[in-house]
Amino acid sequence: GAVVSQHPSWVICKSGTSVKIECRSLDFQATTMFWYRQFPKQSLMLMATSNEGSKATYEQGVEKDKFLINHASLTLSTLTVTSAHPEDSSFYICSARDLWVAEQYFGPGTRLTVT
Amino acid sequence: AQTVTQSQPEMSVQEAETVTLSCTYDTSESDYYLFWYKQPPSRQMILVIRQEAYKQQNATENRFSVNFQKAAKSFSLKISDSQLGDAAMYFCAYRSTLTSGTYKYIFGTGTRLKVLA
Repeated sequence: GAVVSQHPSWVICKSGTSVKIECRSLDFQATTMFWYRQFPKQSLMLMATSNEGSKATYEQGVEKDKFLINHASLTLSTLTVTSAHPEDSSFYICSARDLWVAEQYFGPGTRLTVT
Repeated sequence: AQTVTQSQPEMSVQEAETVTLSCTYDTSESDYYLFWYKQPPSRQMILVIRQEAYKQQNATENRFSVNFQKAAKSFSLKISDSQLGDAAMYFCAYRSTLTSGTYKYIFGTGTRLKVLA
């Protein structure tokens, strides 16, 4: 089956620094990738939708200047949390839509802890 | 806007027994997809089952089956012969069809399933 990877799987950073999370589709082309945020014991909340070669579409309430998304190729999207603060600590999950199958596949997630 | 509601925050089932998880949704669209995802402690989202709204037949995948009631906008998941490995968080999700141009998923709040040995 289709595989989506995320790197890193977990990261600890200091308040005020930026951290980048990568999402890759390993064996398929993904024109669209989605970034979710999940707080403990809560559901997945869509943050933004990224399309290859164009600007991401952010959900209401998500700060686009804080959560920078780049989808430079059909297999890679990145989420950069800028000037991270402890309240940004969360579990971030990406999913990728297969170009030919129109199915979405989820990455294993990245746990971000901001100290 | 579409919404997905899971009214059971937590459910328990004895090993080898059957359990049903509830999900209701609201939409004005006539064609769409519904999903059940499992999220074990590893937090990897695993697709359990998918139902296309235009198909009247309920989807089944081995021990997992759904009861899709389109008019009632209900989409429940039945797990038969429950196993310890079924213990996880289960999310119901809605997705519009490709023709609408919206591929994003709308998730319910989840149901935590405990399997008792």
